[in-house]
Amino acid sequence: NAGVTQTPKFQVLKTGQSMTLQCAQDMNHEYMSWYRQDPGMGLRLIHYSVGAGITDQGEVPNGYNVSRSTTEDFPLRLLSAAPSQTSVYFCASSMYPGQGKNIQYFGAGTRLSVL
Amino acid sequence: GESVGLHLPTLSVQEGDNSIINCAYSNSASDYFIWYKQESGKGPQFIIDIRSNMDKRQGQRVTVLLNKTVKHLSLQIAATQPGDSAVYFCAETANQGGKLIFGQGTELSVKP
Repeated sequence: NAGVTQTPKFQVLKTGQSMTLQCAQDMNHEYMSWYRQDPGMGLRLIHYSVGAGITDQGEVPNGYNVSRSTTEDFPLRLLSAAPSQTSVYFCASSMYPGQGKNIQYFGAGTRLSVL
Repeated sequence: GESVGLHLPTLSVQEGDNSIINCAYSNSASDYFIWYKQESGKGPQFIIDIRSNMDKRQGQRVTVLLNKTVKHLSLQIAATQPGDSAVYFCAETANQGGKLIFGQGTELSVKP
């Protein structure tokens, strides 16, 4: 059981380049989300999805796009990379929060540097 | 207490001692709380959760205490081990789920 899988693990981009961070989960979770983590800080929510075809913005959505065409996959797109997007990105998933719980399971992260 | 900027609050304990990590949450409407552990180079890992209708919940070697009056959450780790060294985050959410808001984190260092 792989859980939440993120690819790539590391990426270096030049300013203005675009790329897609991949996230896949095999737990049949409805809820998926993307966070960024900057040094010495907690995780900040970028975008989230409560099911296939449904996405919404989190705390820091600017510069990022998401889509959810399947339950398993939730890619994060950087449209035109900026140095301010240098960060560690985490994808997470959970059962749909309708039972008073929202235990999110995290991937190992993608470390992105924008030069 | 909490610090701002790039420096995480740190807690240093001796192996075998008990650790207490504190968290002040921000939203009085939050009704569900989770503690996560993050080891270097890894994603956060679930430790324990608690709903707002409880004051205390125990797991294996860990206890979470919730004081809604002062909006305070704590994580107690009994007989701390070197493997407990990590950054610990509290997270809160309202409406029994949905978006999690994470705290800044506390770095726990266990001395052998």
